[in-house]
Amino acid sequence: EVQLVESGGGLVQPGRSLRLSCAASGFTFDDYAMHWVRQAPGKGLEWVSGISWNSGSIGYADSVKGRFTISRDNAKNSLYLQMNSLRAEDTALYYCVRQAVAGTLDYWGQGTLVTVSS
Amino acid sequence: EIVLTQSPGTLSLSPGERATLSCRASQSVSSSYLAWYQQKPGQAPRLLIYGASSRATGIPDRFSGSGSGTDFTLTISRLEPEDFAVYYCQQYGSSPPYGFGQGTKLEIK
Repeated sequence: EVQLVESGGGLVQPGRSLRLSCAASGFTFDDYAMHWVRQAPGKGLEWVSGISWNSGSIGYADSVKGRFTISRDNAKNSLYLQMNSLRAEDTALYYCVRQAVAGTLDYWGQGTLVTVSS
Repeated sequence: EIVLTQSPGTLSLSPGERATLSCRASQSVSSSYLAWYQQKPGQAPRLLIYGASSRATGIPDRFSGSGSGTDFTLTISRLEPEDFAVYYCQQYGSSPPYGFGQGTKLEIK
């Protein structure tokens, strides 16, 4: 069974940093590209960042470019999101998501909540 | 960047009725790389449709997707009580960003 378990969320002050982690199991992690998608409270879905299976291709939403860094450790079956210079508008539930072979997002974790507030 | 606009924002229907949800792209979506997701309160989104018209594993055949280019549709032929949720379209072409539409809330009338 595919499982994606996020961790690392919490309350953080504006301008500070936070690192999210996603532990993957139930599939061959290094066969798949992975993504982070977020959802602000009561709002819609926003794609944040994605990384190819070998980290050779990485992309970011304009809203986080230069502040967030996605990475992965295939030996540990883990995905990461380093978030720097956090802003109030980064407050959201952050989902770890697998990209299917067909290209779409087929498995989602339950999310980890990041709250940026003083 | 491709912008997706969904309509209507809210759709009020009764169980048994047919639902038609629209997703319009600001420019052509390559190779019909268009997906639909369902999200219920307190749950992560679930993939329904990919490639504009292919149902994901385990999705009932009352869900169907159609369209190409810039206009796409999700149809639910006969609404079941469990179908009332928020639906999002998403484009996942060859390069990011992989934007989502703003969502359509399907509510019980």
